[in-house]
Amino acid sequence: AQTVTQSQPEMSVQEAETVTLSCTYDTSENNYYLFWYKQPPSRQMILVIRQEAYKQQNATENRFSVNFQKAAKSFSLKISDSQLGDTAMYFCAFKAAGNKLTFGGGTRVLVKP
Amino acid sequence: KAGVTQTPRYLIKTRGQQVTLSCSPISGHRSVSWYQQTPGQGLQFLFEYFSETQRNKGNFPGRFSGRQFSNSRSEMNVSTLELGDSALYLCASSLDGTGDSGANVLTFGAGSRLTVL
Repeated sequence: AQTVTQSQPEMSVQEAETVTLSCTYDTSENNYYLFWYKQPPSRQMILVIRQEAYKQQNATENRFSVNFQKAAKSFSLKISDSQLGDTAMYFCAFKAAGNKLTFGGGTRVLVKP
Repeated sequence: KAGVTQTPRYLIKTRGQQVTLSCSPISGHRSVSWYQQTPGQGLQFLFEYFSETQRNKGNFPGRFSGRQFSNSRSEMNVSTLELGDSALYLCASSLDGTGDSGANVLTFGAGSRLTVL
């Protein structure tokens, strides 16, 4: 069974600064996908970024980028130029075959003006 | 393009009752999966349906069940409700592809918040 661990329950960052969220996972699978989802107070789960395990290049989506270390089973998210609208819970998730997502416990990010 | 639609958004039930939640996936998506979110247990996978067949199932008691219709809409049912069933129930749909097509991405609905008294 896969497990996903987010070791930072809460983080705060000043507006326009950079914050990095950590995520580690455990799996025996070789082909899988990793995701970061954002859940704002509205509770709608929104995809932030995804990474295919077979790709060595780290994914980037505008101000969001990941550092994917497959050997270390690490998948951190960097939010650059933080904005007030980035305030939310962030969940790291793992998916192998099928559509079963295994989520980490989440990191609450608070962006301060 | 309409997103994933879940109904009802909020509901209150009492212990022992049953509840049915509905999920309409994005048009063309054939995979629908359900998740339970609670403060104590976090996000947990309930089950996934693909082409009207249950393809994956999480570790929940038999009181939790689901089905999928030919138009890919899905329902989940919880019978004999317990206080611990109070949660946000999230539905997600996907094209169920592989590779870099983006078809492996799950898109979530806004959830159904169930309160059991």
